[in-house]
Amino acid sequence: EPEVTQTPSHQVTQMGQEVILRCVPISNHLYFYWYRQILGQKVEFLVSFYNNEISEKSEIFDDQFSVERPDGSNFTLKIRSTKLEDSAMYFCASSERQGDQPQHFGDGTRLSIL
Amino acid sequence: EDQVTQSPEALRLQEGESSSLNCSYTVSGLRGLFWYRQDPGKGPEFLFTLYSAGEEKEKERLKATLTKKESFLHITAPKPEDSATYLCAVQTNSGYALNFGKGTSLLVTP
Repeated sequence: EPEVTQTPSHQVTQMGQEVILRCVPISNHLYFYWYRQILGQKVEFLVSFYNNEISEKSEIFDDQFSVERPDGSNFTLKIRSTKLEDSAMYFCASSERQGDQPQHFGDGTRLSIL
Repeated sequence: EDQVTQSPEALRLQEGESSSLNCSYTVSGLRGLFWYRQDPGKGPEFLFTLYSAGEEKEKERLKATLTKKESFLHITAPKPEDSATYLCAVQTNSGYALNFGKGTSLLVTP
């Protein structure tokens, strides 16, 4: 069964550094998402992306964050000037359509900021 | 503000002991309600989508139902492999972001 693939599985970064989290969505999916889950808290929406544009974003997704689809298969989340509170699991998801098709999630990247 | 509340936070069942998990929601306009299963160290795995009150979906030992205020995930004769965290998420008419509850951690013992 097709799946969403995320790399790396664990990223350790010094505070203030930039990180790029990578995702390969399911091949025929057109809509892409990033969510995060801080330890012990609920999964939170960050951003959705379609046709090379951000279609929706949350209050969490400020100027520190950016997303990009650099080629036909990858979808990335860049976090600049990382802070301790950015430590979390970051999940990528994709869907074939919006509304009547579910979002399928990868297994996440655990980001640890030191 | 849209809210999704799941109860109980944790549930321990004996194998074969049926029970229900609850997801209550307060949203401005429901587009869909989603149930996911999450195993430790993994991402959420899609189970069901429900769109309108009265709708029911079934998969193996799981059945999801929806009313105008809440959804139930019924687990019939659970097995140890059903142990996981079950997440409920709502999608509103204002967009396609999923708003998750905190989940119910289910442990099924032999």
